[in-house]
Amino acid sequence: SYELTQPPSVSVSPGQTARITCSGDALPKKYAFWYQQKSGQAPVLVIYEDTKRPSGIPGRFSGSSSGTMATLTITGAHVEDEADYYCFSGGSSGWVFGGGTKLTVL
Amino acid sequence: VELVESGGGLVQPGGSLRLSCAASGFTFSSFGMNWVRQAPGKGLEWLSYIGSRSSTISYGDSVKGRFTISRDNARNSLYLQMNSLRAEDTAVYYCATLASDDYWGQGTLVTVSS
Repeated sequence: SYELTQPPSVSVSPGQTARITCSGDALPKKYAFWYQQKSGQAPVLVIYEDTKRPSGIPGRFSGSSSGTMATLTITGAHVEDEADYYCFSGGSSGWVFGGGTKLTVL
Repeated sequence: VELVESGGGLVQPGGSLRLSCAASGFTFSSFGMNWVRQAPGKGLEWLSYIGSRSSTISYGDSVKGRFTISRDNARNSLYLQMNSLRAEDTAVYYCATLASDDYWGQGTLVTVSS
């Protein structure tokens, strides 16, 4: 079955740039979406269609995709950005979430 | 915009449950809808998708043949019929659009245990 691979954890200090990667064979043909989930809450979309930011999401969040890797970048991370982040994309017969990356900002 | 799941609870292994998701505040009939679950302490798992007119349906491998997604646009409702439940199906179940207009419910807990 299709898989998206993310690093389990990323750690940065406040104000630094955090980059979270997502690797998958179908990413050259399928868009990546990125979700933020804080403890005890439903996920929130932060990037869709590789690079687009929903209204209300701060400008420090950006996305890119090249070949088999999509990347979520948080430029100047805030303490409140500490959360789990999941990429989401499609395979040949359905959709899949990556395993998630725990972002620590401290 | 609101999505409200219901129907979760405690069920024995091998049993069945039907989850519902009531939508309001947006044009439900224009959106494809999904079910997503999250086991305790684990990541998100996509389960199933149904197109806006029910003409396209897909399932994840872990639930194919056991779960059935459906919708009633007249009632602004999404459903998930879950049969042959296993301990590993224990999770919070969310309905969600998973689209640029991103709407999620608050989730309903399903516990499969004897």
